[in-house]
Amino acid sequence: QQQVKQSPQSLIVQKGGIPIINCAYENTAFDYFPWYQQFPGKGPALLIAIRPDVSEKKEGRFTISFNKSAKQFSLHIMDSQPGDSATYFCAARKNSGYALNFGKGTSLLVTP
Amino acid sequence: GAVVSQHPSWVICKSGTSVKIECRSLDFQATTMFWYRQFPKQSLMLMATSNEGSKATYEQGVEKDKFLINHASLTLSTLTVTSAHPEDSSFYICSATEGLSYEQYFGPGTRLTVT
Repeated sequence: QQQVKQSPQSLIVQKGGIPIINCAYENTAFDYFPWYQQFPGKGPALLIAIRPDVSEKKEGRFTISFNKSAKQFSLHIMDSQPGDSATYFCAARKNSGYALNFGKGTSLLVTP
Repeated sequence: GAVVSQHPSWVICKSGTSVKIECRSLDFQATTMFWYRQFPKQSLMLMATSNEGSKATYEQGVEKDKFLINHASLTLSTLTVTSAHPEDSSFYICSATEGLSYEQYFGPGTRLTVT
């Protein structure tokens, strides 16, 4: 059973656009929500993560918005670049020592 | 930042043989390590969780006798695929966390091809 639902499955934006990827979860015990970026043939790299005590976190061009009541969180990529073309995974976890529950991934293509 | 390495990065083996994949945390003590497999254009599927010095906990449907996991030290975990079959061909990725830290860092992955 997919504990974290991610959408869209794929996304195409022009350079400079702001792609938005959404995730939803059901388990209210989750308290850590990271986003990972993965290039073909490589392992996932941690981009940014948020805890449920804040509604937004920004690191460089990446922003997470978190809505605890709706059990949803999203990733926004500002001023997207062709180099951002990759697969993005959202994830959620209960607490340390537990494995991450991953969404199915979003394949992002940023065109020049 | 925290770095996790894997070796080898790719391996080809014949059906029926065994292959070992190493996962190392280079600059932190990995109290918990996780092993995932990933098929093309799919998400990561958790295979097992291991704590240093303890037996691994396998996910439902993962054969513990086929996928042997050893987490003998705070910097090394190994995954051995025994009696490999072509359907075991996949991308295997390990990850690690340190103590009570929330961050989970991933290795670069190992591409296994069984012929």
